[in-house]
Amino acid sequence: NAGVTQTPKFRILKIGQSMTLQCTQDMNHNYMYWYRQDPGMGLKLIYYSVGAGITDKGEVPNGYNVSRSTTEDFPLRLELAAPSQTSVYFCASSNTGYGYTFGSGTRLTVV
Amino acid sequence: AQTVTQSQPEMSVQEAETVTLSCTYDTSENNYYLFWYKQPPSRQMILVIRQEAYKQQNATENRFSVNFQKAAKSFSLKISDSQLGDTAMYFCAFMNFTTSGTYKYIFGTGTRLKVLA
Repeated sequence: NAGVTQTPKFRILKIGQSMTLQCTQDMNHNYMYWYRQDPGMGLKLIYYSVGAGITDKGEVPNGYNVSRSTTEDFPLRLELAAPSQTSVYFCASSNTGYGYTFGSGTRLTVV
Repeated sequence: AQTVTQSQPEMSVQEAETVTLSCTYDTSENNYYLFWYKQPPSRQMILVIRQEAYKQQNATENRFSVNFQKAAKSFSLKISDSQLGDTAMYFCAFMNFTTSGTYKYIFGTGTRLKVLA
């Protein structure tokens, strides 16, 4: 049982480049989330999804896009990377009442 | 494997009174972080308070304080002078860095707190 799988684990991007952070879960969870965590700060919600085909913005969606074509996958796209997007990104999934399962995080640096 | 347990699915407290939310965890690690997050209906996770495991002093943030008992692996949250805006779901969370350089973030199942007027 893999849980939530995030790739890549580390990435360095140049300003203006684009990339996709992959997230896959094998628990048939309806809810999936993308968070970012800046040093010493809490998690901030970027986007979330309540099921395939349904996505919604969180607290800090600017500069990001998501899609949810299947229950399992919830990729996060960064367009035109900026230094302010340097952070650790966490993907998570949940079903109501069962808490969250988080991926292992992606450390992204934009230079 | 690390686990986080919140044994109180729901709690209620009268406005202006004090309430304590329980959290226990299990880990063999020595260095880790513990958090309490508040989740309103917007679904964002709002950091309430954090505690570094190497610090013996309990963290406090205004009306929020923790009772961190490392040996007992207990991390309870005390909310003083409860306010209606404290009504939310509260999650206890554990985080550490693994030897492979990745992060392990584990949340409890949450406690739904209702503050009564």
